[in-house]
Amino acid sequence: GENVEQHPSTLSVQEGDSAVIKCTYSDSASNYFPWYKQELGKRPQLIIDIRSNVGEKKDQRIAVTLNKTAKHFSLHITETQPEDSAVYFCAAGGRGGSQGNLIFGKGTKLSVKP
Amino acid sequence: KAGVTQTPRYLIKTRGQQVTLSCSPISGHRSVSWYQQTPGQGLQFLFEYFSETQRNKGNFPGRFSGRQFSNSRSEMNVSTLELGDSALYLCASSSNAGLAGGGEQYFGPGTRLTVT
Repeated sequence: GENVEQHPSTLSVQEGDSAVIKCTYSDSASNYFPWYKQELGKRPQLIIDIRSNVGEKKDQRIAVTLNKTAKHFSLHITETQPEDSAVYFCAAGGRGGSQGNLIFGKGTKLSVKP
Repeated sequence: KAGVTQTPRYLIKTRGQQVTLSCSPISGHRSVSWYQQTPGQGLQFLFEYFSETQRNKGNFPGRFSGRQFSNSRSEMNVSTLELGDSALYLCASSSNAGLAGGGEQYFGPGTRLTVT
């Protein structure tokens, strides 16, 4: 079955620096790659996603890149702020035409120090 | 639109009992997926329902089951509870529009299940 590896598991940056989280997936049939942010005690919130027909997508300070050949996708956060501190999850889905069967990475705990 | 809602929010059960959790999707969403979240295993896919049919299933034992009603509301059931079933159970709904756009999954607040 599909497996998603996420690195690093923890990441500490200074406010204003950039943060990069990387994920790899195993099933070439996956074609949908969302990223979720989960603050302590809250539900996961979708922050950005990318589909296999696109190589890069940007939304303000957040960008995601996808390399289908390498089965690799990454989240880039620029100009980090303390409120970016949370656990970030990558996921892969879209197998069989459904985006409802997401396989998640183990998460990255991002700490942004003021 | 109202978001995804789940009931109950907290539940304490004893080993061997069974439990039913409920999820109401965002209005107009026909796909409901269930996930188990634990500190050790992270977020794991349980199953997905679309138009009252189970469309996908994760690698969980048969004690975990679900169903979806004609109004898209979904329930999941866990029978013969084990200590290891203690977790946050999250459901997510989507409109399932496919690669053309849409289809993003939005999560509910979860049900915190504790098995003693």
